[in-house]
Amino acid sequence: EPEVTQTPSHQVTQMGQEVILRCVPISNHLYFYWYRQILGQKVEFLVSFYNNEISEKSEIFDDQFSVERPDGSNFTLKIRSTKLEDSAMYFCANSWGSNTEAFFGQGTRLTVV
Amino acid sequence: GENVEQHPSTLSVQEGDSAVIKCTYSDSASNYFPWYKQELGKRPQLIIDIRSNVGEKKDQRIAVTLNKTAKHFSLHITETQPEDSAVYFCAASKSNSGYALNFGKGTSLLVTP
Repeated sequence: EPEVTQTPSHQVTQMGQEVILRCVPISNHLYFYWYRQILGQKVEFLVSFYNNEISEKSEIFDDQFSVERPDGSNFTLKIRSTKLEDSAMYFCANSWGSNTEAFFGQGTRLTVV
Repeated sequence: GENVEQHPSTLSVQEGDSAVIKCTYSDSASNYFPWYKQELGKRPQLIIDIRSNVGEKKDQRIAVTLNKTAKHFSLHITETQPEDSAVYFCAASKSNSGYALNFGKGTSLLVTP
C-alpha cells in the first residue's frame, strides 16, 4: 500500500519558536493536505495544496502557518511562532485525484512548552 | 462552512452484533463521504467511501448508505469483531473547497468478546 512519510515523529519546542514539519508524499499523488488533531478530539483541516499553490485553507491556518514544496517533492508545514495551543498531532495527507482516498501519514506529535 | 455531526460519540456492542454510526452534513454541495478508522495512536485509515451519485456501497462486513435529500449518511458494521474496536470518523468534502475533508467528532466503538 502506498505510504506517506512524516518527520519527525515527535517534536518538542519552546513557545515562540519556529517549527517545520516534513512530509514525503506518495509519488504521482497530486493533492496535498495538512490536518491536525488535538488529543482526544476530531481531525481538523488546515490547508490543501494543489498545482504548487494553496487551494483552500481553514480559519486555523492563519499568518503563523505556511506550506511549501521546496524541492518539488517534500511537502512542509511551517509554524512561525508556536503557541501552547498549537500542541497537537499534525497529519500530512495525500490523494492522487479529486475526491479520492486521502492517505494519511503517521503524524508528527508537536508539543509546545 | 460545512458542518458534520456524528452520533453516537461512544458505542459498545457485543462481538457478532451490528454497529451503526450516523452522520449529517450541512452543505448540499458536498459530494464525497469517506469513513476513517483510527486506532489508538495511529493514523486515520480509510475503510469505505461513497460519492453523491450512489446511495449505498458495501464491502464485506462494512456498508455505507447516503441520503442526499436528508443530508445524512451512515456506516454499518455487521458481525463485529474485537479488532473493530477503534474510533471511527465520518467526513464530507466538495469539489470547490480544495477537497478538504470536514470530519465529524468521531465515534469510539468498543466490541466486547
